[in-house]
Amino acid sequence: DSGVTQTPKHLITATGQRVTLRCSPRSGDLSVYWYQQSLDQGLQFLIQYYNGEERAKGNILERFSAQQFPDLHSELNLSSLELGDSALYFCASSRGGAIYGYTFGSGTRLTVV
Amino acid sequence: DQQVKQNSPSLSVQEGRISILNCDYTNSMFDYFLWYKKYPAEGPTFLISISSIKDKNEDGRFTVFLNKSAKHLSLHIVPSQPGDSAVYFCAASVGGSQGNLIFGKGTKLSVKP
Repeated sequence: DSGVTQTPKHLITATGQRVTLRCSPRSGDLSVYWYQQSLDQGLQFLIQYYNGEERAKGNILERFSAQQFPDLHSELNLSSLELGDSALYFCASSRGGAIYGYTFGSGTRLTVV
Repeated sequence: DQQVKQNSPSLSVQEGRISILNCDYTNSMFDYFLWYKKYPAEGPTFLISISSIKDKNEDGRFTVFLNKSAKHLSLHIVPSQPGDSAVYFCAASVGGSQGNLIFGKGTKLSVKP
């Protein structure tokens, strides 16, 4: 157990639907990062939050949004889902930035049918 | 445009021999590099890192080499063990403690007994 909890582990939904992925960071970590891993792709950075505030944005679609709550857990909302959104979505947390290392959760596998 | 490239999707090595995983990058502003290991159905786990002010960092069987002039880094595993079989991701960051990680697509290492 890495200390980063992601729920649900698996999600199957239809095109056009909306889903919410949840992440609880490791205790004491203020930063939360979301990554997407599609087939044959590396980990694509989506968005970072630090202590409740958006810190950086990567290749995140406008149909996707995220937030970090006062208790530091984070949610990634994916709407108007398309087949191409099927992927593994990872959440990671850290105390600061890259040099402190990221701790990843085990991911949510999203399948859009 | 991929800033971090792992050109070998897979690598097969005999147990006890050396495994060398390579990574190239294009952004000369990267100042911190990390390697992550990923087993199936798990999130990536931090393996080893190196700052751009160094050219080598060693941790047990794992050594990372950085050649800034060539924008190239490599991970050496000696001796390789079957338990090392996993996908290895190279990652880079701009801005040290504040930067986000940019990942390569990964190299699948198979260590055969």
